[in-house]
Amino acid sequence: DAGVIQSPRHEVTEMGQEVTLRCKPISGHNSLFWYRQTMMRGLELLIYFNNNVPIDDSGMPEDRFSAKMPNASFSTLKIQPSEPRDSAVYFCASRGGRDGNTEAFFGQGTRLTVV
Amino acid sequence: AQRVTQPEKLLSVFKGAPVELKCNYSYSGSPELFWYVQYSRQRLQLLLRHISRESIKGFTADLNKGETSFHLKKPFAQEEDSAMYYCALLISSGSARQLTFGSGTQLTVLP
Repeated sequence: DAGVIQSPRHEVTEMGQEVTLRCKPISGHNSLFWYRQTMMRGLELLIYFNNNVPIDDSGMPEDRFSAKMPNASFSTLKIQPSEPRDSAVYFCASRGGRDGNTEAFFGQGTRLTVV
Repeated sequence: AQRVTQPEKLLSVFKGAPVELKCNYSYSGSPELFWYVQYSRQRLQLLLRHISRESIKGFTADLNKGETSFHLKKPFAQEEDSAMYYCALLISSGSARQLTFGSGTQLTVLP
């Protein structure tokens, strides 16, 4: 397995544009997390899914942010419209099974720059 | 509510010196705690978990329920230990389990 795969690796966009970040979790994992990493706030949990169902989206900063998980192998995080303060590295992670000892595996992240 | 607190954003030590990265947590249930590390230009990866009670790359972390702490320690820091370290707590939410992180500590080991 190639691990958690995120695309794109880098995204530069103009303020007001729509941005879509993509994530492919590890096959068989039933939990998926979206995190945002900034120098000021560290790693913030935005939303997480369990068995494709959003469980907690309280970390989503505004209505401009939305996330979907249409199936077990794909998730998107969308920002519309984007703003410069959204610039950050966005990580996707997955963990699996009923075993509480399973670690979370992270993707390489998407570095988003909104100008 | 702040579940995981890492009070130090930045920590610098000299090579060979002991290092301790602090982590405190707040959770009413039985905690499961982890340390994750992110080396420069690499993805976040698990360093160690408290239930394993193991030493990884010379690092250890002991869960102290009385002090609600899970500090990461290494007796002799190496330059290659320079990285961002995150303490994480696994929280049960119904049938799902959420992994929440502290704000991270950037460790720099000076030559």
